[in-house]
Amino acid sequence: NAGVTQTPKFRILKIGQSMTLQCAQDMNHNYMYWYRQDPGMGLKLIYYSVGAGITDKGEVPNGYNVSRSTTEDFPLRLELAAPSQTSVYFCASTASGRNEQFFGPGTRLTVL
Amino acid sequence: RKEVEQDPGPFNVPEGATVAFNCTYSNSASQSFFWYRQDCRKEPKLLMSVYSSGNEDGRFTAQLNRASQYISLLIRDSKLSDSATYLCVVNSGTASKLTFGTGTRLQVTL
Repeated sequence: NAGVTQTPKFRILKIGQSMTLQCAQDMNHNYMYWYRQDPGMGLKLIYYSVGAGITDKGEVPNGYNVSRSTTEDFPLRLELAAPSQTSVYFCASTASGRNEQFFGPGTRLTVL
Repeated sequence: RKEVEQDPGPFNVPEGATVAFNCTYSNSASQSFFWYRQDCRKEPKLLMSVYSSGNEDGRFTAQLNRASQYISLLIRDSKLSDSATYLCVVNSGTASKLTFGTGTRLQVTL
């Protein structure tokens, strides 16, 4: 199993550009999550999904969108990148009824 | 008040020392508790779950005090490889959503 994979590893965007951060898992987990982690801060939940076709907002959803068309994939979309979105983005997944979340390696995004 | 509070450290300890980290949480309805470890520029990984009765995994001991809403992690005989940030994590809601503390940084030195 590859576990949770994320692409790209690094990206630099200009203000106003858009991009999609990819996340995939091969563990057949129902639940998937997107977090951002700013320097010296804890992880903040952006969006989550409890299954294909179902998504919901987390703590900091503004400026982001998600979709979940399959169990495996959970992409995160930034429409109009802003410097405040400079962060490390982690995708995670878990099986329903379980508590341990498995994280991908992260995407480091810089918006200039 | 933050939902999960930790002392950010850093804790600088010599190899072989015993070190303890503490964490408090604000939501009394919280159901599950964990310690995650995060190495520099890496993703968080589960270190151990925390149970009311206390639990041990090798050199690591975790304790939970529900009345005081307090969680602790004790590391005995510290190794250089224990150097990392330790995240206190609480599951308070549906869909296995987790709330993370900001982490406590540990540096173990020779």
